[in-house]
Amino acid sequence: EDKVVQSPLSLVVHEGDTVTLNCSYEVTNFRSLLWYKQEKKAPTFLFMLTSSGIEKKSGRLSSILDKKELSSILNITATQTGDSAIYLCAVRHAGKSTFGDGTTLTVKP
Amino acid sequence: EAGVAQSPRYKIIEKRQSVAFWCNPISGHATLYWYQQILGQGPKLLIQFQNNGVVDDSQLPKDRFSAERLKGVDSTLKIQPAKLEDSAVYLCASSPLRDTRTTNYGYTFGSGTRLTVV
Repeated sequence: EDKVVQSPLSLVVHEGDTVTLNCSYEVTNFRSLLWYKQEKKAPTFLFMLTSSGIEKKSGRLSSILDKKELSSILNITATQTGDSAIYLCAVRHAGKSTFGDGTTLTVKP
Repeated sequence: EAGVAQSPRYKIIEKRQSVAFWCNPISGHATLYWYQQILGQGPKLLIQFQNNGVVDDSQLPKDRFSAERLKGVDSTLKIQPAKLEDSAVYLCASSPLRDTRTTNYGYTFGSGTRLTVV
């Protein structure tokens, strides 16, 4: 059965901290891994990763894929209260996407 | 570019009642998805359309859920009769048939419909 597992389930940090979120997967016919940020209802796209070892970066956020370990990490440096959200990992495979259950990040002032 | 439109935003119904959700995807997007997101979980694909044909409905509870996309544009998802465990946010997403230029396959979510079954 296709599976995407995220850890930790939740995380509470203070502004300025650096956090690392994890996503591991077991799927058939892997195509790509995507990270989304979900604040209210609609997930918004952050990154798509297809190649191992190539870091994608956007401001304070960065992500990298390790196909050997079947995993990815999402790093957020110098966290702000606006980073509080659920971070979802999704794996595209065999023409569909399977989502993990997300990591709920709370950033306290 | 207008986003994916969904309605209603919220719905509260009693168990065993019926409910329908509507989705209008981004213009020109051939593929449309309905996801169910239960509180504390990630979105789970219910059904995927390509134009007006069903690509994947393997996780759709067909005894009570139905969906259609008759003209290959907007879509409706219906639940009849609803159960308490159907309480969730129902997300619609759309993407172009093939777009290798964009970094996420043009996969865009609507704001969802929050359904509460009491």
